[in-house]
Amino acid sequence: DTEVTQTPKHLVMGMTNKKSLKCEQHMGHRAMYWYKQKAKKPPELMFVYSYEKLSINESVPSRFSPECPNSSLLNLHLHALQPEDSALYLCASSLRPPGQGSNQPQHFGDGTRLSIL
Amino acid sequence: GNSVTQMEGPVTLSEEAFLTINCTYTATGYPSLFWYVQYPGEGLQLLLKATKADDKGSNKGFEATYRKETTSFHLEKGSVQVSDSAVYFCALIGNNNDMRFGAGTRLTVKP
Repeated sequence: DTEVTQTPKHLVMGMTNKKSLKCEQHMGHRAMYWYKQKAKKPPELMFVYSYEKLSINESVPSRFSPECPNSSLLNLHLHALQPEDSALYLCASSLRPPGQGSNQPQHFGDGTRLSIL
Repeated sequence: GNSVTQMEGPVTLSEEAFLTINCTYTATGYPSLFWYVQYPGEGLQLLLKATKADDKGSNKGFEATYRKETTSFHLEKGSVQVSDSAVYFCALIGNNNDMRFGAGTRLTVKP
């Protein structure tokens, strides 16, 4: 069982819809991440939150909007997505953000499989 | 910049065969090295890690040794099982603090 919980597991949406992906962890981790993973590829970093503040945005289109309401929750708001955005979206967390202390491994959720019609 | 290169798959083995998946890295300084495993329909699970030269990470019969002289972190298992079928990712966190993944290696173990 993963300690990072993502909902929903599957999501199908049209290009005009607005939806949100949710991620939750209760390990006391202070860094949280969103990744996008296409089939047969490694995860690609999208966003990093450090102590609930956005610290890294890897030039992600504005149709993806992250939000970190508190230290346990991370959301990804979706609007006007394109078919090429169909992918597995993974959330991860680590004890400390990058650059603060030793390099901490990231713990991943099972992901949300997103399909854009 | 930092990068990870791992052997291209897919790799197909018979049950109880010996497994090696090669991983080499390029990084400045002393990165931390990781192996993650992704089973079908799931996220990535941390399999093992090593944070300094000559460290050996091990878990569930898998091992990898941090070799700074060859900049390698090869994954090995003495006797694979059907349940080990998955995609394996080598990864590093370097001095610039971002995580880099290898391309992934798909392993299929046949009974």
